[in-house]
Amino acid sequence: GAGVSQSPSNKVTEKGKDVELRCDPISGHTALYWYRQSLGQGLEFLIYFQGNSAPDKSGLPSDRFSAERTGGSVSTLTIQRTQQEDSAVYLCASSLLGSPLHFGNGTRLTVT
Amino acid sequence: AQSVTQLGSHVSVSEGALVLLRCNYSSSVPPYLFWYVQYPNQGLQLLLKYTSAATLVKGINGFEAEFKKSETSFHLTKPSAHMSDAAEYFCAVSGYSSASKIIFGSGTRLSIRP
Repeated sequence: GAGVSQSPSNKVTEKGKDVELRCDPISGHTALYWYRQSLGQGLEFLIYFQGNSAPDKSGLPSDRFSAERTGGSVSTLTIQRTQQEDSAVYLCASSLLGSPLHFGNGTRLTVT
Repeated sequence: AQSVTQLGSHVSVSEGALVLLRCNYSSSVPPYLFWYVQYPNQGLQLLLKYTSAATLVKGINGFEAEFKKSETSFHLTKPSAHMSDAAEYFCAVSGYSSASKIIFGSGTRLSIRP
């Protein structure tokens, strides 16, 4: 079956613009994560959705970042008024409860 | 709260030598522990995981890791390195609940010398 799909694969935007990143998880996976990967910084946790529970937003770096997951499936990460320090690869992962994470190929965001 | 510390952002070993990648964790509850690998230009994939069934966990490609509660460690080893093992390796932790979020370390880049 299809894996985790992220779009776009690359996004170049001007500082101050808003961007939306999309994640299509594996069908039936109840858990969905967003991470940010910067050079030398590892995987920074951003937000975690699990079933119908309230999302764990404790990793979002500022109020410019938000995410939603509609119908327990597709998720969108929105960054408002982008800054140069937002440049990174944004990774989405999904899983069944207690099972290994399946990662997408990521969206490389470049803020100019 | 959970966290992991990976000692050494870059490790270089000779082909055929022992691979040892270090990971120490902090957890307020019994943890689940994971090692993930990211090969060049590929996505992350699971190497192995510890979920309390056995302290020595065997994973893919000849890797294994041992959970040592007294040392709060979960180091990754492989007896003999291959050139194909060159990759970025990430240690991760979650709480002793499958609903707990998974937190990753900063990663260790493994290079293999011919």
